[in-house]
Amino acid sequence: QQQVKQSPQSLIVQKGGISIINCAYENTAFDYFPWYQQFPGKGPALLIAIRPDVSEKKEGRFTISFNKSAKQFSLHIMDSQPGDSATYFCAATYSGSARQLTFGSGTQLTVLP
Amino acid sequence: DGGITQSPKYLFRKEGQNVTLSCEQNLNHDAMYWYRQDPGQGLRLIYYSQIVNDFQKGDIAEGYSVSREKKESFPLTVTSAQKNPTAFYLCASSMGLGGDTQYFGPGTRLTVL
Repeated sequence: QQQVKQSPQSLIVQKGGISIINCAYENTAFDYFPWYQQFPGKGPALLIAIRPDVSEKKEGRFTISFNKSAKQFSLHIMDSQPGDSATYFCAATYSGSARQLTFGSGTQLTVLP
Repeated sequence: DGGITQSPKYLFRKEGQNVTLSCEQNLNHDAMYWYRQDPGQGLRLIYYSQIVNDFQKGDIAEGYSVSREKKESFPLTVTSAQKNPTAFYLCASSMGLGGDTQYFGPGTRLTVL
């Protein structure tokens, strides 16, 4: 029940295209869903996060869509740029877990110039 | 600058040796975390601490030990009991109670020779 399943494992997109990464979870206690961006050899950096009381959150070119009934959430990167090429992780946590993050397995995004 | 520092960036160890990874934060965060990252996988929680002089095991604590004598410091010792210690180790911190977002350090890459 603690798992967060992420897909696809890798994604190649042309510059200017839309990148979509999906995550699904089982634990209905999860109440905070962050996305992290990680460049090779670096620590993950928080990109955007959402709580289940809203269905969508947008920050610049990055949007999280959240479907509570389906227990799914996704990251959309609009107008993808080569600089967006990185590994993206979805995660989930809840207050009863001492805020431990459960991570998806990651998606390696490559944006072709 | 506020942030999380980890040292060293690269660490080499012979089999059978213990090694300690440093993690320091000046964000005045109460909670600190250690994660392990293996190629192509998500982050897995080793240990976490919500307050000074207290820490809890995560999902993969076997072969690791930690201490939390100061709020800003959370060192991780990889002992000889850890069977496969070669990995990328990430430290993170958060505000603690009521603080959802975890901020990550740059990581330490440990290689066992």
